[in-house]
Amino acid sequence: DQQVKQNSPSLSVQEGRISILNCDYTNSMFDYFLWYKKYPAEGPTFLISISSIKDKNEDGRFTVFLNKSAKHLSLHIVPSQPGDSAVYFCAAISTGTASKLTFGTGTRLQVTL
Amino acid sequence: GAVVSQHPSWVICKSGTSVKIECRSLDFQATTMFWYRQFPKQSLMLMATSNEGSKATYEQGVEKDKFLINHASLTLSTLTVTSAHPEDSSFYICSASRRGEKLFFGSGTQLSVL
Repeated sequence: DQQVKQNSPSLSVQEGRISILNCDYTNSMFDYFLWYKKYPAEGPTFLISISSIKDKNEDGRFTVFLNKSAKHLSLHIVPSQPGDSAVYFCAAISTGTASKLTFGTGTRLQVTL
Repeated sequence: GAVVSQHPSWVICKSGTSVKIECRSLDFQATTMFWYRQFPKQSLMLMATSNEGSKATYEQGVEKDKFLINHASLTLSTLTVTSAHPEDSSFYICSASRRGEKLFFGSGTQLSVL
């Protein structure tokens, strides 16, 4: 049972344009969401997070939006840069379960010149 | 910032052998570490929660006798894949969190069992 879903396995965006990565979840107990970025042969690195009490969190070029009623979140990267090319995982947690993250399957972003 | 070190990065072994993977928190004490596994094109799946000084808590479907976890100190957790078989070939990754902070991940271990 995949509780966190990233339905787009890959995405290609031109440099300078906006990248939008989507994530859906089914577990209504999730109350904290995170995005991780992963390069090949490396571990995921934390990118940005959002609590369920918010609907938007912004950090530089990265913005995460949360729509609780739709159980949907998205990561916006603008402007996209070639160095953003990586696999992006969304993850969710129910803070009552002591940091047990549930990950999506990842979306591979390719930023082209 | 906090760093989690994982070793080795790559392992190739023969079927039937055991492989040990180490996960170290380099500049903080981690009472809890997590072990994940990722098969190609699938998500990171939590295998077990490693608790310092006590037995690990395994997720449903993960064989505790197959994947031995030892968290002997506040900075080291090890995962031993016993009698590895080709179907155990996967990407294994650990993570740890300093109290109240986000998770930090190791760089992962790609295990290939021949």
